[in-house]
Amino acid sequence: DTAVSQTPKYLVTQMGNDKSIKCEQNLGHDTMYWYKQDSKKFLKIMFSYNNKELIINETVPNRFSPKSPDKAHLNLHINSLELGDSAVYFCASSPGLAGGVYNEQFFGPGTRLTVL
Amino acid sequence: AQSVTQLGSHVSVSEGALVLLRCNYSSSVPPYLFWYVQYPNQGLQLLLKYTSAATLVKGINGFEAEFKKSETSFHLTKPSAHMSDAAEYFCAVHSNTGKLIFGQGTTLQVKP
Repeated sequence: DTAVSQTPKYLVTQMGNDKSIKCEQNLGHDTMYWYKQDSKKFLKIMFSYNNKELIINETVPNRFSPKSPDKAHLNLHINSLELGDSAVYFCASSPGLAGGVYNEQFFGPGTRLTVL
Repeated sequence: AQSVTQLGSHVSVSEGALVLLRCNYSSSVPPYLFWYVQYPNQGLQLLLKYTSAATLVKGINGFEAEFKKSETSFHLTKPSAHMSDAAEYFCAVHSNTGKLIFGQGTTLQVKP
């Protein structure tokens, strides 16, 4: 039973299309995240939700819109896809801050998005 | 603001040799530091974490890291490399705003 799962694993689409990536965690965590890993493997946070509430929103184009229907799910919708959106997108979850200590994040397997 | 720098984007060792992956951090507050490993076409997996309990931290797969405040370092070591250790390794620090900030990553190659 996968702790953090993402669908789809691969996504190939044309420029200008709209697509969504889904993420689910069964760890009971309150906090979920989206990261983007570029072609040089650099990882950068995009968004974070805590109990369905947006708490981190990095300087990401507003074509990217996260949605959290409940605390176990955090989906990422991307409008008007551009070539530069090609990357691997990782979802992660974490208990967050507990006892004054930041806990580790648990990552999903990633979604490789290719925009043609 | 917190940050981490990984020295060496690519490290190559022979099987059985010592693995040393370098990470230096910058933080104005006591840092929470992590090492993650990413195997090809997979997500990130936690190797170990430092949360101020002990300066020498032991992780999975025989890895360990030592927190040295005087050197602002958190280098990752393993006494004897195995072929299965070949992967991408990321050092990360938790910012005081809840973000995990990653270093640039180090590719570890293990030669037979």
